[in-house]
Amino acid sequence: AQKVTQAQTEISVVEKEDVTLDCVYETRDTTYYLFWYKQPPSGELVFLIRRNSFDEQNEISGRYSWNFQKSTSSFNFTITASQVVDSAVYFCALSEPNTGGFKTIFGAGTRLFVKA
Amino acid sequence: EPEVTQTPSHQVTQMGQEVILRCVPISNHLYFYWYRQILGQKVEFLVSFYNNEISEKSEIFDDQFSVERPDGSNFTLKIRSTKLEDSAMYFCASSERRGATNYGYTFGSGTRLTVV
Repeated sequence: AQKVTQAQTEISVVEKEDVTLDCVYETRDTTYYLFWYKQPPSGELVFLIRRNSFDEQNEISGRYSWNFQKSTSSFNFTITASQVVDSAVYFCALSEPNTGGFKTIFGAGTRLFVKA
Repeated sequence: EPEVTQTPSHQVTQMGQEVILRCVPISNHLYFYWYRQILGQKVEFLVSFYNNEISEKSEIFDDQFSVERPDGSNFTLKIRSTKLEDSAMYFCASSERRGATNYGYTFGSGTRLTVV
């Protein structure tokens, strides 16, 4: 069965600190996709990154970076030099093929507070 | 970048009334989904739809829910006889075919349903 665990419920940092959001997943499939979404107070899901299971390359996009390690089933997300605008709930998600397409399972989310 | 469009953004309805939430998926996507997020909780899978039929549904998706693709572009979620606990943000999503190497999975911005 698929499962996504975000052990950190809330994280509070001061602006300009680096912060890492942890994500551990479980799946029996060899083909799957991992995502991170940001949910600001307005409620929409903002897509941040998608990774497929065959691509373990880490990725950097501006202040954001992602560390995908299949050996530990983790897909961690780091924000460098955090800003107040980064305050949001961040969801890690796993999508794997089934007969109906790709159902996505979300973690419980990590609420990030960045204080000025 | 192509978008999944959801209307309305916010709907208020009286308990016991029927509501229809509308979504326009990305035009070349073949799989369609509805997800629900009760305030402050995780995003939960409701149903996936492919080839004009439900391909998978969760235990949440009981007989009060139904989905339909009434024409070539819309994908709707109907909730019959709404209950207070149906108050949530409902997200529509669409994805490409299974096995797509550059797999696209896109969420709409959500419809906030408030049942009073």
